[in-house]
Amino acid sequence: EDKVVQSPLSLVVHEGDTVTLNCSYEVTNFRSLLWYKQEKKAPTFLFMLTSSGIEKKSGRLSSILDKKELFSILNITATQTGDSAVYLCAVGTQGGSEKLVFGKGTKLTVNP
Amino acid sequence: ETGVTQSPTHLIKTRGQQVTLRCSSQSGHNTVSWYQQALGQGPQFIFQYYREEENGRGNFPPRFSGLQFPNYSSELNVNALELDDSALYLCASSRGVQRDYGYTFGSGTRLTVV
Repeated sequence: EDKVVQSPLSLVVHEGDTVTLNCSYEVTNFRSLLWYKQEKKAPTFLFMLTSSGIEKKSGRLSSILDKKELFSILNITATQTGDSAVYLCAVGTQGGSEKLVFGKGTKLTVNP
Repeated sequence: ETGVTQSPTHLIKTRGQQVTLRCSSQSGHNTVSWYQQALGQGPQFIFQYYREEENGRGNFPPRFSGLQFPNYSSELNVNALELDDSALYLCASSRGVQRDYGYTFGSGTRLTVV
C-alpha cells in the first residue's frame, strides 16, 4: 500500500529560526513529490520535485528530493509568523489517473 | 485567489441522509479530483474525473459517487451518510491527467454528520 510519512507532526519555533520538515515515502509508480501549505482550507502549491538532488527554491523556502533513499526535505529559513501552517507532502503516482498520496502533515507554529 | 470554487462551504447533515457537493474547476482545466480530509489527517483520494468519465478511484465505498459535466464542473454525492464521513472535502483541478504542475485546490466543503 502506498505510504507517505512526515515528521515531525508538530513543531513550535521562534521567529527567525530555521526549520527542516521531513517526508519519506513508499509508493509504486512514483512520478513526483509535491509540497503544499495549508493555512485554513485550500492547500496551496509550493514545489514539485521529480529529479533527485536538484534543489528548488522560492524565497526563504527550499526543497530537495532523494529518490534513492525515498525522502524529501522542506527547509524554511528566517521563519516568520506567517509561515505558521500545516505543511503537506504528497507523492504523485503515474499510470492512468494520477492520484496524490498525502502524508498527515507537519503543523508548524512560529511564535513572535 | 484560487480558481477552483466549491459549494457549499459548510454543511450539517443527519446520519443516513444524502449530500451533494459541487466544484467549479479552474478555467482551462479538464480534470477534477476529489479528496477527503479528516481532522488531523492528510487528504485521501476519492476519485478523479477526466472528460466526464471516472478515471481512477481510491479506497472508498460505492456510496461515494461523482459526476463531471461538459463544462468540467463536478459533483460529489455521498449516500447513506455515516458519522465518519464528517470531514473537509477538497476538489482539485488540473489541465489533463498527466499534468506537470501542482493541482489547484478549492477551499473545500466542511461536512458535519450528526
